[in-house]
Amino acid sequence: KNEVEQSPQNLTAQEGEFITINCSYSVGISALHWLQQHPGGGIVSLFMLSSGKKKHGRLIATINIQEKHSSLHITASHPRDSAVYICAVGVVTSYDKVIFGPGTSLSVIP
Amino acid sequence: GVSQNPRPKITKRGQDVALRCDPISGHTALYWYRQSLGQGLEFLIYFQGNSAPDKSGLPSDRFSAERTGGSVSTLTIQRTQQEDSAVYLCASSFFRGGRETQYFGPGTRLLVL
Repeated sequence: KNEVEQSPQNLTAQEGEFITINCSYSVGISALHWLQQHPGGGIVSLFMLSSGKKKHGRLIATINIQEKHSSLHITASHPRDSAVYICAVGVVTSYDKVIFGPGTSLSVIP
Repeated sequence: GVSQNPRPKITKRGQDVALRCDPISGHTALYWYRQSLGQGLEFLIYFQGNSAPDKSGLPSDRFSAERTGGSVSTLTIQRTQQEDSAVYLCASSFFRGGRETQYFGPGTRLLVL
């Protein structure tokens, strides 16, 4: 079992739909990151969470430490939201390490 | 932002390559990642300030990295193999209020022929 899992793997939505991408992990973490990777490879860090909820524009990220689960929500989705969304966790060990989820490929159709 | 060079790099199998990362000034932490074609991101190495780096993610002893003066970092791959072909990403981050924000560079696309 992978230490960081995401669902769904692929997602196609109509413009305007509310989208949820889920991330679950099985290790102790110091923080959880949501990253966005556009076609062509550019990566943008969207959120860094250690507890609770964060909102930025149409994006909302939540984390439940007890359940080891995080969700990324996109409200009023737009074709420019089409990208791969990656969940990454900073791992609490004797050293610092980042483990990435496999990514969720989102396509928003006009 | 974070800059990396070269951007594309084509090399022959067996050659050594050096990939450079210039982090954002003042950022204390620097990360190297690799993304192979069709694969997810893979953590390689992490520098924090002047501390010894965590090298646990380096895939083999052909890979090494250094960070000079707490700023510029170079990832070196010796005797490159075809499986080293990937996009190598660098990110730097700062801590504020106990929180970290990472900024990614554009990546170096390495092709080993």
